[in-house]
Amino acid sequence: QKEVEQNSGPLSVPEGAIASLNCTYSDRGSQSFFWYRQYSGKSPELIMSIYSNGDKEDGRFTAQLNKASQYVSLLIRDSQPSDSATYLCAVNDSGGSNYKLTFGKGTLLTVNP
Amino acid sequence: NAGVTQTPKFRILKIGQSMTLQCTQDMNHNYMYWYRQDPGMGLKLIYYSVGAGITDKGEVPNGYNVSRSTTEDFPLRLELAAPSQTSVYFCATSRFREYNEQYFGPGTRLTVT
Repeated sequence: QKEVEQNSGPLSVPEGAIASLNCTYSDRGSQSFFWYRQYSGKSPELIMSIYSNGDKEDGRFTAQLNKASQYVSLLIRDSQPSDSATYLCAVNDSGGSNYKLTFGKGTLLTVNP
Repeated sequence: NAGVTQTPKFRILKIGQSMTLQCTQDMNHNYMYWYRQDPGMGLKLIYYSVGAGITDKGEVPNGYNVSRSTTEDFPLRLELAAPSQTSVYFCATSRFREYNEQYFGPGTRLTVT
């Protein structure tokens, strides 16, 4: 059974701070890693994808991947109240079904003004 | 481009009734997926399709059926609805097999009473 683990939160940070969201996964052969943002009552929205070890930056968002430790993280700099949402980590299955994703249960982030 | 559309947005069913959830995409993506999301449980894959005429079961297929006669449409059929099928249903699509960025529709909120 492939697993993707996230702290459920809630993670509460003040406005302007850095929010750090973490995710571990069990499938050592996974090659594609994604972060989705989901506002309450809405559908998941893709915000970051990462495929290689290291950091990938996009605006205020940085995704970090360490395949040896089976760990992926998302940093949100200068957090804004509009960043308050649930963040889902997703990891692709290895092998022949690599077009399928396994999702974590999500971390609820609250940014306080 | 509308992206991924789903109808209806909301539906209340009585136990034992049947219905079809519609999903249509205009992105010309080969891969399509149906997920359900229960509170605190993350996204669970119900069925998926790798192209027109090809479908397969996901993690939680019982009580559901799908078909894929065209690239654009991927309807999900519920037969003999049960309270356990109360959930939010999301359709998603992706273009590539390996770099599997999935894009979600707005969802259908279904209640079975």
